[in-house]
Amino acid sequence: NAGVTQTPKFQVLKTGQSMTLQCAQDMNHEYMSWYRQDPGMGLRLIHYSVGAGITDQGEVPNGYNVSRSTTEDFPLRLLSAAPSQTSVYFCASSLLGFGAEAFFGQGTRLTVV
Amino acid sequence: QQPVQSPQAVILREGEDAVINCSSSKALYSVHWYRQKHGEAPVFLMILLKGGEQKGHEKISASFNEKKQQSSLYLTASQLSYSGTYFCGTEGNQGGKLIFGQGTELSVKP
Repeated sequence: NAGVTQTPKFQVLKTGQSMTLQCAQDMNHEYMSWYRQDPGMGLRLIHYSVGAGITDQGEVPNGYNVSRSTTEDFPLRLLSAAPSQTSVYFCASSLLGFGAEAFFGQGTRLTVV
Repeated sequence: QQPVQSPQAVILREGEDAVINCSSSKALYSVHWYRQKHGEAPVFLMILLKGGEQKGHEKISASFNEKKQQSSLYLTASQLSYSGTYFCGTEGNQGGKLIFGQGTELSVKP
């Protein structure tokens, strides 16, 4: 059982480049989220989805786009990367919208130079 | 909106106890607790629900004061394996939206 899978694990981008971070889960979870983790800032919510076709903004959505065309996949797009987006990105999923354990992927370490 | 955790860091000797606190300015439906080892993903420890139900780890306890929107995580007789960063996450009235605090770094020394 793979759980939540993120790709790639590491990525270096140049300022202005675009890329998509992939997230897939095989647990049939309706709820999926993207977080970024920076030293001293904890985990900050970027975007989240409550089901296929439904997404909403989190705490720090600027510079990121998401879409959810299937239950399994929730990609995160950086349209024009900036050094401020250097971070570790985690994808998470949960079965329910309230009171359910969140399962995290192993993270993507992104560096923007 | 981000819950506030205290302390930011704590150092313990094996066998000592610790308490980590989490408070929110918003009405909460639930409080989650996760632990993250260096270089790894956060791992679920416990959920405390409005109304008193708890789900999670057998050896770690926590409380949830609904009136004060505060939660505390109690680590007793700490072991070396307890070292890591502990995060509380809070859910309000918006389904699917889990907001985390800034984390508490716990170090357990022999």
